[in-house]
Amino acid sequence: SYVLTQPPSVTVAPGKTATITCGGNNIGGDSVYWYQQKPGQAPVLVIYYDSDRPSGIPERFSGSNSGNTATLTISRVEAGDEADYYCQVWDSSIDYRGVVFGGGTKLTVL
Amino acid sequence: QVNLRESAPALVKPTQPLTLTCTFSGFSLSGSGLCVSWIRQPPGKALEWLALIDWNDDKYYSRSLKTRLTISKDTSKNQVVLTMANMDPVDTATYYCARCRHGDYGFDFWGQGSLVAVSS
Repeated sequence: SYVLTQPPSVTVAPGKTATITCGGNNIGGDSVYWYQQKPGQAPVLVIYYDSDRPSGIPERFSGSNSGNTATLTISRVEAGDEADYYCQVWDSSIDYRGVVFGGGTKLTVL
Repeated sequence: QVNLRESAPALVKPTQPLTLTCTFSGFSLSGSGLCVSWIRQPPGKALEWLALIDWNDDKYYSRSLKTRLTISKDTSKNQVVLTMANMDPVDTATYYCARCRHGDYGFDFWGQGSLVAVSS
């Protein structure tokens, strides 16, 4: 089955740039979605179609996807960006179709 | 304005089935090109996808839970129902429903979630 691999944690200083990766076999051929989840809250879509931002999501959030790695980049990180981040794709293999989530990355702002 | 709300029992006994209902507003699953999915999250753990139903009634299930899940929709009531058979304490989780688009399958709107505990 298709597996998405994320680093368990990323730490960044305020004002710096955070990079969260999502690895998967030829993930560059899929559309990748990224979600932000703060404690006690439902996930929020922050990036869709690899690099598009829903309305209301700051321009500081950007995404890219190529080869075997998709990346979520958060520029000028703020304390309020501290959250868990999940990547997600639609797996459309020959014998299976379904949603796959990465294991999540906890972003800590220190 | 899109809104989704999950309803479920707060406590289920082991071996019993769980019925989850997602009631939504602001969109329709009738000829809309939209879909609704169920995702769960055990306490302190990652998101886990469970099932998805498309506007055209196509259904997709988690490979690992397929034998225990049944998803259905009632277009007239704007509801999607997921039943999970043979509940176990490891199924204790917050259960979310979320909206997606056919052929897209990213989730643009989520419900607030419903915590279900499995215990005798």
